[in-house]
Amino acid sequence: GQQLNQSPQSMFIQEGEDVSMNCTSSSIFNTWLWYKQDPGEGPVLLIALYKAGELTSNGRLTAQFGITRKDSFLNISASIPSDVGIYFCAGRPILIQGAQKLVFGQGTRLTINP
Amino acid sequence: SAVISQKPSRDICQRGTSLTIQCQVDSQVTMMFWYRQQPGQSLTLIATANQGSEATYESGFVIDKFPISRPNLTFSTLTVSNMSPEDSSIYLCSVGRGYTFGSGTRLTVV
Repeated sequence: GQQLNQSPQSMFIQEGEDVSMNCTSSSIFNTWLWYKQDPGEGPVLLIALYKAGELTSNGRLTAQFGITRKDSFLNISASIPSDVGIYFCAGRPILIQGAQKLVFGQGTRLTINP
Repeated sequence: SAVISQKPSRDICQRGTSLTIQCQVDSQVTMMFWYRQQPGQSLTLIATANQGSEATYESGFVIDKFPISRPNLTFSTLTVSNMSPEDSSIYLCSVGRGYTFGSGTRLTVV
């Protein structure tokens, strides 16, 4: 089945630094989503992307839907302590059946040193 | 966006028993999704629950182990049956094509 490769698996940065993470797929996706998960909570949607090449921002967060439709990245600028958490990418593969299914990346655990 | 109330938030269960997890949504939704998140892992779709029809299970998940009910457009339950320690995970429901998640049920089987 479809798999997403998300990297890096973990990041240790200083407060104020910029962060970049990405996801790649072996197959074409028609939707890319980025989530943040805090301990004891479910994932919260940050950004949704629907078209190849689309670049979308949400405050200090920026994400792009890759031109090949097989990748996406998420950037966080000027990180702050509340950015700590696990970030997941997810994509909706183009399938004949099961078109609603989401496939998730393995997650990027972000740690920030004050 | 929809608001999901998921219960229980956590439980510790004996092996061999069953646990039913409830998911209540504040608005009517066509599709509800159930996910499993094993410790330190990503989310894996268990099944899609449509009101008025049988749930659709993903490869590796079967109805006997994870029976699902969907009695109306705002409610669903997932039962984890005949539990073993390998079932220890966070179970999450989701609506809105996956855009909104409940806060999850952290299950520990001893």
